Parts: sequence; C-alpha cells; structure tokens
Amino acid sequence: GIQVEQSPPDLILQEGANSTLRCNFSDSVNNLQWFHQNPWGQLINLFYIPSGTKQNGRLSATTVATERYSLLYISSSQTTDSGVYFCAVESFMNSGYSTLTFGKGTMLLVSP
Amino acid sequence: NAGVTQTPKFRVLKTGQSMTLLCAQDMNHEYMYWYRQDPGMGLRLIHYSVGEGTTAKGEVPDGYNVSRLKKQNFLLGLESAAPSQTSVYFCASSYSDLSYEQYFGPGTRLTVT
Repeated sequence: GIQVEQSPPDLILQEGANSTLRCNFSDSVNNLQWFHQNPWGQLINLFYIPSGTKQNGRLSATTVATERYSLLYISSSQTTDSGVYFCAVESFMNSGYSTLTFGKGTMLLVSP
Repeated sequence: NAGVTQTPKFRVLKTGQSMTLLCAQDMNHEYMYWYRQDPGMGLRLIHYSVGEGTTAKGEVPDGYNVSRLKKQNFLLGLESAAPSQTSVYFCASSYSDLSYEQYFGPGTRLTVT
C-alpha cells in the first residue's frame, strides 16, 4: 500500500516562530488532507489539498502532486497550535473504494 | 448540529468481554469510518461503510465487527476483547467519497485488562 512519511516527528517552537511540516507519499494521489489533533485528542480537518496552495489564517498548505509531497506552514505560532499534525492520503482498498492512509504525525509544542 | 458523536467516552473491559461502540452523525453523510489510534502509529482504518447497509474491511479489521443499519449510525463491536485492542477509537464521516473532508468524533478510550 501507499507509504506516508512525515517530518520532523517532533518540533518545539517559541511562540511567534514559523515552521514547516512535510509529508512525503509514495504514489500519486487524488486526495490529501491535513489534520490537527489538539492536546485533548480532538481531530480537526485543516485542509483538503490534493494539489496547489491554500491558506487559512496563519496556516497554509502546498501540495506538489507530481513530486509527491505536501507542506504545511504555520506562521507566528501560538500555544494553541500545539498538538499533533497528521497528513493523510488516498489509498485504494480491495473493495475498489478509496480511504485515507495516515502518516504517523508531527508532534508540535509551542512554548510561551 | 452535533456533528459526529461517540458513545461511550471511556471504557475498561476485562479480557474476553464484549462491547459495542456507537457512532452517530447528523450531517447526512454517506460514508462512515472507524479508526484506532495507538502511540506512534497514527490512525489505522478498522472498517468503513459507504452507505446504509454496507460495510467493508479496512487495514486492521481482525477482532472487530461493524454494522450500519441506519444511515446516521455506525456501530463497532468487539466480541471477545483482548489487551491488544487497548486503544483510542475514532469514528469519522464524510459526505461522499474522498473528494470531501472527513469529520471526526471525539474518540473513545478503551482499556482491556
């Protein structure tokens, strides 16, 4: 099946710093999503971004599908950005339907 | 709208006991999913459903069964719990196929002793 690798595995930032999280995947995909899991465990969908660039406030994401990677940018980080960031890409099951395969995540800690 | 809800939030089982986790969504989504999350492993798909009355196996289906009798509900069953099933279980739903975002429930933390 498709492989999803995220880097770095852990990241510590001072509040106000910028960061870039990377997601590499082993095959071409039609779907890629970024999620944030807050310290209380809730998973929130940040971006649906199979290609191109999107921005939402201080967060933006870029997917270069032809080169099989996606980047998540966090600017002017805040303590509320802490948590785990997951990249998930489309994978096809034997049933013929597609589902999401998740990377292992990047754990981000933003300190005041 | 409540979105995706899960019942219960926490549960402790003894080895060999059975239980059912309930997932409900009020967004009229066709697709529903059950994942498990283990430390350092990300989320892995257990079973999924592409519509009422249909279910299919995901990446790690062994030891679990599911049912989707109503469009808004997706049940995950453990017939004979094992310590290896200690995990956090997440339910998710999406409007249709993966062209649409997945929305997650708050999770159920299950411990099997």
